[in-house]
This record gives sequence, C-alpha cells and structure tokens, in this order.
Amino acid sequence: DAGVTQSPTHLIKTRGQQVTLRCSPKSGHDTVSWYQQALGQGPQFIFQYYEEEERQRGNFPDRFSGHQFPNYSSELNVNALLLGDSALYLCASSGQVVSNEQFFGPGTRLTVL
Amino acid sequence: QQQVKQSPQSLIVQKGGISIINCAYENTAFDYFPWYQQFPGKGPALLIAIRPDVSEKKEGRFTISFNKSAKQFSLHIMDSQPGDSATYFCAATRSRDKIIFGKGTRLHILP
Repeated sequence: DAGVTQSPTHLIKTRGQQVTLRCSPKSGHDTVSWYQQALGQGPQFIFQYYEEEERQRGNFPDRFSGHQFPNYSSELNVNALLLGDSALYLCASSGQVVSNEQFFGPGTRLTVL
Repeated sequence: QQQVKQSPQSLIVQKGGISIINCAYENTAFDYFPWYQQFPGKGPALLIAIRPDVSEKKEGRFTISFNKSAKQFSLHIMDSQPGDSATYFCAATRSRDKIIFGKGTRLHILP
C-alpha cells in the first residue's frame, strides 16, 4: 500500500514564474491538505480539499491555488513566485474512518532564485 | 488565537536517557494531539497521538502525558537511541480540520 506520494522531489524556479506541485493521497483517503514548511519551522497550513472543493484555507495569498481531481489526487499552484516562497511543500491525506490522522508525503523542495 | 507552543527548541540527551519535550495549547476545541517525527529531507511521520479524555498513552519507548486542565502535553522518549535524533513536532487539531504545529524540537542523542 503506497503512502502519500508527491512530485517532483525538487524544483528550482525564478521569481515571477509559476509552479505546479502534485500529490497522490494514501489509498482509501479522500481529503488532501497542503502545508508549507520554511527551513527550521513547523509546517503551516495552506488549504484543504475534499470532494474536489476547497474546504478550508490558511493565511496564504490568492497566488496559492489548488485543485482536487475525482481520483482524490491534488495539485498546488503558486503564481508570481517570490523568494519567500522557497520552502518544503507538504501534502497530507486523511480519510473518513479516522479523520484526525493526517499522513504526510515526502514533500517537494521548492527553491526560488 | 490557535497556537501551540513547544519547548525546548533543541535538546541533547545521552544514549539511554529520557528525552522530554513539552507543549501547551490555547484552543479547548482541539480534540486530537499528535506528535510527528521528521528526519532531514523527509516529510513528518506520525509518531503517536492522544485524545483529551486520556491522561497518558504509551507506545513502546514513546509516551504522551496529557494535562487537560493545564492545557499541556508532553512527549517522553525512554531509553533514547541515536536513531531517535530528529526534529519532533507537537500538534493539535480537530476532526477533518487543519493541523496546528509547534515550532519543533531538534533532538540529538549522543552515542
């Protein structure tokens, strides 16, 4: 049983560019949450998707957007990249049976130059 | 304010010793308190979790102590091993809600 998978592993972009990160949830999970983890900090909640809709959103600008597909996989899009967007982007999935438990993927390391 | 405060920021423990990390929360609506372990370059891995109706939960060498009235909880790692060296995050959440993380504790176990 594959856990949460994310792609790509690493990504280097320049300021102003746009980026798309991808996540496949753990088998049986229907809810996907995205977090941003700056170096030396705890993860910060970006948003959560359930039934293909954004259900909750953290304190992130509209440059951050997402999507969930019918197979529960998800994308995170960031437009007009800033140097401060450099971070590890984590995807977490959860299911209805034990809805509190969120399992994290390995993350995508984004570097903005 | 939905905050989780974690201490210490870093911790050095001798092999075989007890590692203790403390956390405090503010929002009494939280009903699930997980601890995550993170190794460099990896995502956080769920280590152990507790609900507020339980005062203690033990899994192997890892124990969570929970004090609901004080709104505090702690992680104890017994017989700490070099392989336990990692960053530990306490967290708080509600069902199907976002996770609020502490700032993390970098634990180093001396061989």
